[in-house]
Amino acid sequence: DADVTQTPRNRITKTGKRIMLECSQTKGHDRMYWYRQDPGLGLRLIYYSFDVKDINKGEISDGYSVSRQAQAKFSLSLESAIPNQTALYFCATSDSHTWDTQYFGPGTRLTVL
Amino acid sequence: SQQGEEDPQALSIQEGENATMNCSYKTSINNLQWYRQNSGRGLVHLILIRSNEREKHSGRLRVTLDTSKKSSSLLITASRAADTASYFCATAGSSNTGKLIFGQGTTLQVKP
Repeated sequence: DADVTQTPRNRITKTGKRIMLECSQTKGHDRMYWYRQDPGLGLRLIYYSFDVKDINKGEISDGYSVSRQAQAKFSLSLESAIPNQTALYFCATSDSHTWDTQYFGPGTRLTVL
Repeated sequence: SQQGEEDPQALSIQEGENATMNCSYKTSINNLQWYRQNSGRGLVHLILIRSNEREKHSGRLRVTLDTSKKSSSLLITASRAADTASYFCATAGSSNTGKLIFGQGTTLQVKP
């Protein structure tokens, strides 16, 4: 089984809808991250969490919110989706004791019409 | 804004040739990492080099780091068709906040 899983893998939705993307990990890592990837722009950090009670905004947090329900679960929400949030979304985890090498989930492809 | 800039943006070589990708960054770092991404999939960590290291090897990968020039290179020797992927550098800041800043990536195509 994969160490970092994301659900759903693909989602098509309409403008204005609320969307939640979920991430679970079995690596026992304390740190979790949400990124979005757009063609030609690499990965940009949306939110990150160093433990259940520590959540921080990243580079592009506007229009997004997150919830760290447990050490193993980190969800990303789009309260009111808009077309320019169409992107590939990745969850990642890391262990604070190992120089922060990050382990990525398979990604969620989100299309907002 | 992106920390890393990668060069070239795209690279096409024949199987067996070496591939070199470069990464430049702007601020002081704790370490620099290289990741590979196969089309539409998650990133996979390849190698990490710390700011006090100059060169590191892992199998067919060789990474160099020049902190005076704020640059790094990734060399893949004897490339294979399976090396076809996008390669990203990522920097961890000197304050070790746990965040990585990714470059825009180099797309490598290895022709059989």
